[in-house]
Amino acid sequence: DAGVTQSPTHLIKTRGQQVTLRCSPKSGHDTVSWYQQALGQGPQFIFQYYEEEERQRGNFPDRFSGHQFPNYSSELNVNALLLGDSALYLCASSRDRVGYEQYFGPGTRLTVT
Amino acid sequence: AQSVSQHNHHVILSEAASLELGCNYSYGGTVNLFWYVQYPGQHLQLLLKYFSGDPLVKGIKGFEAEFIKSKFSFNLRKPSVQWSDTAEYFCAVNARGGSYIPTFGRGTSLIVHP
Repeated sequence: DAGVTQSPTHLIKTRGQQVTLRCSPKSGHDTVSWYQQALGQGPQFIFQYYEEEERQRGNFPDRFSGHQFPNYSSELNVNALLLGDSALYLCASSRDRVGYEQYFGPGTRLTVT
Repeated sequence: AQSVSQHNHHVILSEAASLELGCNYSYGGTVNLFWYVQYPGQHLQLLLKYFSGDPLVKGIKGFEAEFIKSKFSFNLRKPSVQWSDTAEYFCAVNARGGSYIPTFGRGTSLIVHP
């Protein structure tokens, strides 16, 4: 049973560019959440998708957007990249909208230069 | 909104030493509590969780945590650590009946010397 997978593993972008990160949830899970983990910090919630809709959102600007597909996989898009967007981006999936227990992917390391 | 404090940012122990990592949260309502672990080069995984019932929760790999409601604390313990316990440990809380979105502490880096 495959767990949560994310791609790519690493990414280097230039300020002002746009980036798309991808996530496939654990089998049987329908809810996907995205987190940003800066160096030396805990994960910070960006948003959560359920039934192809953004259900909840953290304190992140509109430059951060996402999408969930009918197969429950999800994308995180970040526009107009800033140096401060450099972080590990984590995807987590859960079996229901309540998300009592989330399973995390390995993350995508984004470096903005 | 809830918040989580992990006061020990870096802990260094020798094998067989006892471990206690502090976690305090701030929230006026009922909460669910979690400890996650991130081993070097691996993804974040759940160590243990508390939803209700016995406030002493046992998790994987010999870890346990005790929920003390009056102190808003959920400290992680292990009687005897191993070199393989070297990892980053995160406490998290979500508000039951609220958004259920977990708030994480900034983490504690544990290094265990053999």
